[in-house]
Amino acid sequence: QKEVEQDPGPLSVPEGAIVSLNCTYSNSAFQYFMWYRQYSRKGPELLMYTYSSGNKEDGRFTAQVDKSSKYISLFIRDSQPSDSATYLCAMRLPNTGNQFYFGTGTSLTVIP
Amino acid sequence: EADIYQTPRYLVIGTGKKITLECSQTMGHDKMYWYQQDPGMELHLIHYSYGVNSTEKGDLSSESTVSRIRTEHFPLTLESARPSHTSQYLCASSPQGEGRRSSYNSPLHFGNGTRLTVT
Repeated sequence: QKEVEQDPGPLSVPEGAIVSLNCTYSNSAFQYFMWYRQYSRKGPELLMYTYSSGNKEDGRFTAQVDKSSKYISLFIRDSQPSDSATYLCAMRLPNTGNQFYFGTGTSLTVIP
Repeated sequence: EADIYQTPRYLVIGTGKKITLECSQTMGHDKMYWYQQDPGMELHLIHYSYGVNSTEKGDLSSESTVSRIRTEHFPLTLESARPSHTSQYLCASSPQGEGRRSSYNSPLHFGNGTRLTVT
């Protein structure tokens, strides 16, 4: 069983839609959760970084962590064509320098 | 935006050649990493470093080697490239947080990657 599961998509939505991207995980010890956006031929860019459960908002993006369900989400409001990219979830164990676990990424296309 | 640079961006090379993928960061981050990324797969850790003269192998078995002689520089070398090495290689770094323990809990910042093709 993979540590982190992420639906690869592809996901296609019209401009202005609300997008929900999700990951599930199996290790209850994860405490730090990240979302990365990766454009084609680029490296992953950090979008959101959250600790433990709860919500975090940054502009049109909201990251949500539900540790009881081992489920994290990224919501994109008023989606734009520039949001078209692959979104990677990642998580890490506390106080370890190298223990990052990644999802396989969800491909998102926002149609104008 | 993180200041982490990888060169070359694209490399096509024949089997058996020795190659070095360069990675530099200007942020003074103590931790640096090399990941391999293939389509539809999660990122796999190849090597990491906690600081100068500190290097460790990651989860993915690799025939590559790394060095960390300077804080800002973390090159990856393949002594003899093979077609199985064809992949995207991502370099990342992690900042020093406030306090000793919090430095372990910082996120990764990635470069734009080197796309390696071995023919």
